[in-house]
Parts: sequence; C-alpha cells; structure tokens
Amino acid sequence: DAKTTQPPSMDCAEGRAANLPCNHSTISGNEYVYWYRQIHSQGPQYIIHGLKNNETNEMASLIITEDRKSSTLILPHATLRDTAVYYCIARSISGYALNFGKGTSLLVTP
Amino acid sequence: KAGVTQTPRYLIKTRGQQVTLSCSPISGHRSVSWYQQTPGQGLQFLFEYFSETQRNKGNFPGRFSGRQFSNSRSEMNVSTLELGDSALYLCASSLAQATGELFFGEGSRLTVL
Repeated sequence: DAKTTQPPSMDCAEGRAANLPCNHSTISGNEYVYWYRQIHSQGPQYIIHGLKNNETNEMASLIITEDRKSSTLILPHATLRDTAVYYCIARSISGYALNFGKGTSLLVTP
Repeated sequence: KAGVTQTPRYLIKTRGQQVTLSCSPISGHRSVSWYQQTPGQGLQFLFEYFSETQRNKGNFPGRFSGRQFSNSRSEMNVSTLELGDSALYLCASSLAQATGELFFGEGSRLTVL
C-alpha cells in the first residue's frame, strides 16, 4: 500500500468548509484512497473512498487530482461534532491491511 | 443491526501476565482485523482473519496472536505483557477480506502496570 502524508493538525471555524489534504505520490493504479475519522475514545468511522473520480456522499466530498498523487477531503459545513482525527489511506481493493498512520487532528471552533 | 462488539472495554494487567480480548463482528461479516492504537505510534495493523484463517499479519512480535471461530467471532491474545503493550486495541469487521469499508468496535483499553 502506498504511503500517505497528512498534516498533523488543522483548525476550522464552525459552518465553514474544512479541506483536509493528503499526499499519496507513490499511489499505484489499482489503489483506492480511503478516508476514515476517529472521534475521541471511539473506533474509526468510514467516510468515503474513491479511485480517480471525485466522490460525494452525505458526509463529505473527495477530490482526487488528475495525477492521483494527492487528494482533499471536504466537509462542506463543519460542525463541532466534526472535531476528530482524520485518516487518509491508499490501498488496493484486495489489499488486506489498512495502515492508518497518525492522521490529521481537525479542531472545529465556534 | 448490532455493531461490532468488543469485550472487555477496560482492563488492567501487570507485566508478565497474559490477556485475551474478544470481538464479535457484525452479523454476516466474515473478516475481522485487529489494530493497536497508542499515542506514539498511532493506529497500527496487527492481523486479519477470514474464514478462521489468518490472512495477513502486521509487524508485531509473536507474543501477539489471534484466532477466529466458525461463527466469525475473534479473539486476540497477548502473552508476557510489557508496559509498552498498554494501548487501545480495536477490532474491525467487513463483509469480505478487509475490503472497502471497515466497521470498528469501541475498542478494549488495556493498561499494563
């Protein structure tokens, strides 16, 4: 699985869009980009995943660059409940392990 | 339907003891994977089981082991506990072999004194 790099922390004002970047410059053609988040003291929660097209669901949008070397998770209207650690992972659909790393700690402020 | 259930939620052990943690996956899910989470190392993969077979293993010593039963429930065991084994141990289940969306339990928080 490709290695991903994320900033250790970010701040966002409540109601504004939170844009969380992820670098995965060594991603291979069959590797998807997955995003999970972990709210304090809870298990990680799946958010979204994509291969090369932009994806949107009820939680977030995922924008993947054309060369697939980076992506951005967008929370369109951040709330205080979005304060969490966000993990970006690149892996093939048949890959066994998910190596989460340390993620980005997002703090949404009033 | 019920989510992933991990027991016990909290436990305290002393160095040299052993511990067994249990994970009941979501009904119908056949893959169970285990992770260790510590402040210093983040969330690290331990191993994954599918249809009672260990399919992949992370970079952990042999003191860490696991198994899966025919009903997909899984246990992990840590023998000869060390202080550094203090961590949150998370279990995740998925329909197939760790593909796509993983559903995590709340974790078992182990403290080794």
